[in-house]
Amino acid sequence: GENVEQHPSTLSVQEGDSAVIKCTYSDSASNYFPWYKQELGKGPQLIIDIRSNVGEKKDQRIAVTLNKTAKHFSLHITETQPEDSAVYFCAASVTGGFKTIFGAGTRLFVKA
Amino acid sequence: ETGVTQSPTHLIKTRGQQVTLRCSSQSGHNTVSWYQQALGQGPQFIFQYYREEENGRGNFPPRFSGLQFPNYSSELNVNALELDDSALYLCASSWPNTGELFFGEGSRLTVL
Repeated sequence: GENVEQHPSTLSVQEGDSAVIKCTYSDSASNYFPWYKQELGKGPQLIIDIRSNVGEKKDQRIAVTLNKTAKHFSLHITETQPEDSAVYFCAASVTGGFKTIFGAGTRLFVKA
Repeated sequence: ETGVTQSPTHLIKTRGQQVTLRCSSQSGHNTVSWYQQALGQGPQFIFQYYREEENGRGNFPPRFSGLQFPNYSSELNVNALELDDSALYLCASSWPNTGELFFGEGSRLTVL
């Protein structure tokens, strides 16, 4: 069945360093790849997304890359800040479909 | 613009009981999805409702059922509760075919 694998499960970085989270998806029909941030006691919130017709997208300190051939996509956070500490989920879905498949999450710790 | 709201925020039930969780979608959204998030895991798709009809379903047994009302609010009902049903239940609203999900803060269910 459809699956999204996410690595690492835990990531600890020093403030100001970069953080990279990697995901792999199995359903070749997937064409929408969102990233969600979940803070303690809250629901996931979309931080950036990318569609399959684009290889890279950037929004300030956050960037995503997509390699459709390898079915890989990654989240890059530069100049990390303590408020970036949270759990990050990658996900994949098919436009017009009804479900989004989530990875297991990466807990990011940014040490001041 | 009112975001997604869920109730109750926390509840405790015993095995075999039934539970109803409620969700009000974000203003303008006519599609509601429900996800189950076990501790330390990513959200798992339960089902989606569009225009009061179930639009798609994940790998959950029939004792998980739902409703959507004319104002697009929704309910998730779980019968014959099992210990493994203990989780955070997330409601997400969206426009159809866009992919982006707007999550509520969830209802944390504990089954004893």
